Amino acid sequence: GQNIDQPTEMTATEGAIVQINCTYQTSGFNGLFWYQQHAGEAPTFLSYNVLDGLEEKGRFSSFLSRSKGYSYLLLKELQMKDSASYLCAVNSNYQLIWGAGTKLIIKP
Amino acid sequence: GAVVSQHPSRVICKSGTSVKIECRSLDFQATTMFWYRQFPKQSLMLMATSNEGSKATYEQGVEKDKFLINHASLTLSTLTVTSAHPEDSSFYICSARDWRGVTTEAFFGQGTRLTVV
Repeated sequence: GQNIDQPTEMTATEGAIVQINCTYQTSGFNGLFWYQQHAGEAPTFLSYNVLDGLEEKGRFSSFLSRSKGYSYLLLKELQMKDSASYLCAVNSNYQLIWGAGTKLIIKP
Repeated sequence: GAVVSQHPSRVICKSGTSVKIECRSLDFQATTMFWYRQFPKQSLMLMATSNEGSKATYEQGVEKDKFLINHASLTLSTLTVTSAHPEDSSFYICSARDWRGVTTEAFFGQGTRLTVV
C-alpha cells in the first residue's frame, strides 16, 4: 500500500526553529509537496522537492532523501501566524497521496 | 500561480435537499480536477477525480449516486451533493493541476463549508 507518516502535532516557541518530518512509502515517486493549511481554509503551496537535497525559500526550507523515503520542512524565526497544519503530499504516478498533516502550535 | 475559484464558500441547506458546488480554473485549462472532503481536524480525503468529457473516478466508499460530478468543460467541474444529510456536513475542496508547469502542483479552490440542518 501507499503510506505517508507525519507527527500529529508539534509545539514550538515564537522566534525558534521547528522541523516537521515526513516519511513515505509509495508505489511511485514524482515529487514531494508541502502545503500549509490554516483552520477553515484551503491548503496553500509551500514547496516542492523532486531531487535529493535542501530547497530554501525564505524562512521555510524543505529537504528530501529519496533513498530514505524521507522529507522535512524546516521553519525558522517562527511567527504566530505560522500556527497551522502542514501537509506532506507525494506525487505517486501523478496521483497526490496526502499525509494526515501536522498541527503546529506556536507559543509566545 | 494559477487560480482556482470555488463557489459558494459557505452553504446551509435543509436535510433532503441538493447542493451544487462549482470549481473553476480561471487562467488555465484543467483536464483533471479533484474533489476532496475534510472533516474537522482531519486531513484531506480524496472523493473523486473528475476528467473533462468523461465520467468521474470515485474513491472506494464514496457513493457516486450521492455525489454527482460533472466536468463539462476544461475550466469547470461541479459537485452536487444530492439528498443531503447532516453527516454530509463537511469542508469540500476542489483542486486542479496545471500540467504545463514543472512542479505540477495542485492549486486549490477556497473550499466550501457545507452545513446540513
